Amino acid sequence: DAKTTQPPSMDCAEGRAANLPCNHSTISGNEYVYWYRQIHSQGPQYIIHGLKNNETNEMASLIITEDRKSSTLILPHATLRDTAVYYCIARSGTYKYIFGTGTRLKVLA
Amino acid sequence: NAGVTQTPEFQVLKTGQSMTLQCAQDMNHEYMSWYRQDPGMGLRLIHYSVGAGITDQGEVPNGYNVSRSTTEDFPLRLLSAAPSQTSVYFCASGEGGYEQYFGPGTRLTVT
Repeated sequence: DAKTTQPPSMDCAEGRAANLPCNHSTISGNEYVYWYRQIHSQGPQYIIHGLKNNETNEMASLIITEDRKSSTLILPHATLRDTAVYYCIARSGTYKYIFGTGTRLKVLA
Repeated sequence: NAGVTQTPEFQVLKTGQSMTLQCAQDMNHEYMSWYRQDPGMGLRLIHYSVGAGITDQGEVPNGYNVSRSTTEDFPLRLLSAAPSQTSVYFCASGEGGYEQYFGPGTRLTVT
């Protein structure tokens, strides 16, 4: 599974879009990109995943570059409740999800 | 559905003691896994299972045993607790390689 790299922390103003980048330059063709978040010390929560097409659900949008070497998670209108650690994971057909240290997003009032 | 449940919520052990962390899910998921999370760190995969009777090692399996006799349960056994195993332990389940559902965690302290 490819290694992912994320900035350790980011701030975002409430109501604005939060754009969280992830680098996965060694990703292979069959590896999906997954995003999870962890609020306080709770168990992580699934957000979204994709292979090569952009994806959108009720929580977020996932933009994957054409070469698949990086992706961006977009929270369109961040709220204080979106303050969390966000994890980007590249996973192939194995069941080994490798979490990195993630990005600590702080939404500011 | 209760989702993924873990017991106990908190546990204190002395070095050398053994114990079992319990994990159960009621979603009929084939895939279950155990992670540990040390302070300020991400989650690290300990063991996982893709179905009853099938288990495999993750990133940090040493000092832990698992078994999967039923679809619902996936206990994690600490054979001889060490202070380095002080951590928060999360169990997760999922289906079809898509999203995983995590339990609330067990906070373990080994003195």
